[in-house]
Amino acid sequence: EAQVTQNPRYLITVTGKKLTVTCSQNMNHEYMSWYRQDPGLGLRQIYYSMNVEVTDKGDVPEGYKVSRKEKRNFPLILESPSPNQTSLYFCASSLEASNTEAFFGQGTRLTVV
Amino acid sequence: DAKTTQPPSMDCAEGRAANLPCNHSTISGNEYVYWYRQIHSQGPQYIIHGLKNNETNEMASLIITEDRKSSTLILPHATLRDTAVYYCIALNSGYSTLTFGKGTMLLVSP
Repeated sequence: EAQVTQNPRYLITVTGKKLTVTCSQNMNHEYMSWYRQDPGLGLRQIYYSMNVEVTDKGDVPEGYKVSRKEKRNFPLILESPSPNQTSLYFCASSLEASNTEAFFGQGTRLTVV
Repeated sequence: DAKTTQPPSMDCAEGRAANLPCNHSTISGNEYVYWYRQIHSQGPQYIIHGLKNNETNEMASLIITEDRKSSTLILPHATLRDTAVYYCIALNSGYSTLTFGKGTMLLVSP
């Protein structure tokens, strides 16, 4: 089954403790991206990757890092999480960057205390 | 990418057609109209997209006006599971980021 898998689904952590949210897709998609969703602000793109070893900032990249060492994986790294990064995070992938259907993961609800 | 305008909310009776409008008066010739939906706190789900011809798939139909300034997403027989926020997005045919607005909250009632 074609899918985007995020882990963990829920995470509560403390300020400053590094964490990684994993994202994996099984569709051989080139394009992957991360979004965060906050009440009243909607979905905002954090980072995206056009292909392996190619990543770029989205609209709200501050406080986040990503890597794309393999095509299927696109982890989101919070080196020093802060409470304002408490949010619902979604990973997405699509065959190409343009004009194709995007598939989204089920989301990761992160709480930073 | 062109800005889109959608009503904040709509209601629909179960079994009836849900017609969700979207205004995109500044859309350019190479921008597609995409529709996604998001069921409460789940990941957004692709529904359909089109350029200028009407499109239909197993989920919905997309009607785009001849001048392409507006479109309507039609769910022919809405069910309770169709309750969701529906997003209309104008997206360039070249590289472009999916930018989600506030969408329309569709509530399907028994």
